[in-house]
Amino acid sequence: AQTVTQSQPEMSVQEAETVTLSCTYDTSENNYYLFWYKQPPSRQMILVIRQEAYKQQNATENRFSVNFQKAAKSFSLKISDSQLGDTAMYFCAFILTPGGATNKLIFGTGTLLAVQP
Amino acid sequence: GAGVSQSPRYKVAKRGQDVALRCDPISGHVSLFWYQQALGQGPEFLTYFQNEAQLDKSGLPSDRFFAERPEGSVSTLKIQRTQQEDSAVYLCASSLAQGALIQYFGAGTRLSVL
Repeated sequence: AQTVTQSQPEMSVQEAETVTLSCTYDTSENNYYLFWYKQPPSRQMILVIRQEAYKQQNATENRFSVNFQKAAKSFSLKISDSQLGDTAMYFCAFILTPGGATNKLIFGTGTLLAVQP
Repeated sequence: GAGVSQSPRYKVAKRGQDVALRCDPISGHVSLFWYQQALGQGPEFLTYFQNEAQLDKSGLPSDRFFAERPEGSVSTLKIQRTQQEDSAVYLCASSLAQGALIQYFGAGTRLSVL
């Protein structure tokens, strides 16, 4: 079975500081993509960053970066210089690839991040 | 349209009523997904369309749930004889093509069954 575990239900960080959100996953497949999505109170899921499992280099997107450890099946998200607008629920997710499959996202239970002024 | 649009934004139903939730995907997007997000949980997959064909409905929790996309654009998720455990946010997502990795989400419909 494919599962995603986010062990931190809630986290808090001071504005301008750095925070790391944890995620582990379980799959027997070798090809997959990993994602972090942000869900603000408006409920609309927004893609933050993605990582291809076959790439060893960690993905970076402005203030967001990941630490991908394939052997450990770990995929943490680091947010640098936290901003008030980063306050949201963050979901770790993955998709098994490729073609023929549905490409459905498998989500974790989320981490609620609060950025304090 | 500019983004995925879902309506209504909120729906309150009495137990036993039928409801219909609408999703307008991004224009030209081939793939369409429905997810169910219970309170405090991550979204869970319900069903997937490629154009008008429903290729995967493995996540539908019961035969009271039915989805359609007759012309390959707008999709409707119908829940018959609603029950309290159906209360959740229903999210719709679309992606450009089969196999495309990026899914674009709507803001969801929050269904409350009393």
